[in-house]
Amino acid sequence: EIVLTQSPGTLSLSPGEAATLSCRASQSISYMYLSWYQQKPGQAPRLLIHGASSRATGIPDRFSGSGSGTDFTLTISRLEPEDFALYYCQHYGDTHPWTFGQGTKVEIK
Amino acid sequence: QLQLDESGPGRMKPSETLSLTCSVSGGSISSSSYYWGWIRQPPGKGLEWIGSVYYTGTTHYNPSLQSRVTISKDTSKNQFSLRLRSVTAADTAVYYCARPNSMIGYAFDVWGHGTMVTVSS
Repeated sequence: EIVLTQSPGTLSLSPGEAATLSCRASQSISYMYLSWYQQKPGQAPRLLIHGASSRATGIPDRFSGSGSGTDFTLTISRLEPEDFALYYCQHYGDTHPWTFGQGTKVEIK
Repeated sequence: QLQLDESGPGRMKPSETLSLTCSVSGGSISSSSYYWGWIRQPPGKGLEWIGSVYYTGTTHYNPSLQSRVTISKDTSKNQFSLRLRSVTAADTAVYYCARPNSMIGYAFDVWGHGTMVTVSS
């Protein structure tokens, strides 16, 4: 099983600042099979990024993903008020089980 | 536009079998290239993939739940289902159905709103 470790656990930032979230895999995974989700309280997760760097439909370009091998990053270039939420990375693809990281909370400073 | 809608019992007692259904509208679960899956989230905790069923009927399960879980699909009703046997309080969670889209590498691109299941005596 591939374990995904997200850091930091909580990120305290102000609107307008940039956010950098990390997701580290316990073993190398294909960039094709790494995604990022945003979850707000009481809502289902929303796909932001798939294939490590491809934005999902309708996702603003302030969200970007990068990485390969075991280290992946989600960057929010300029935080908007609606971006304060929980973020999860996920591994999927041909290898099971599919796993999620434990999440990073982006909170208003 | 594809929509997923979970339905389930809400509350149940330990040792019972949980049955959840995900009704799919705006698309067919028989469409090729798509899995259909279940994910759960205990209160205040993270996401856990439970398992998925492919349009062919092939299933994959989380090893931590494999002995208790069955995922199936009913193409005549355009639904897929989750059965989890011998539930305990640890199975209390919001259960989501979602579509892993193989066209984007199986990322979950469509989610239901989730249904809360509470296991309590």
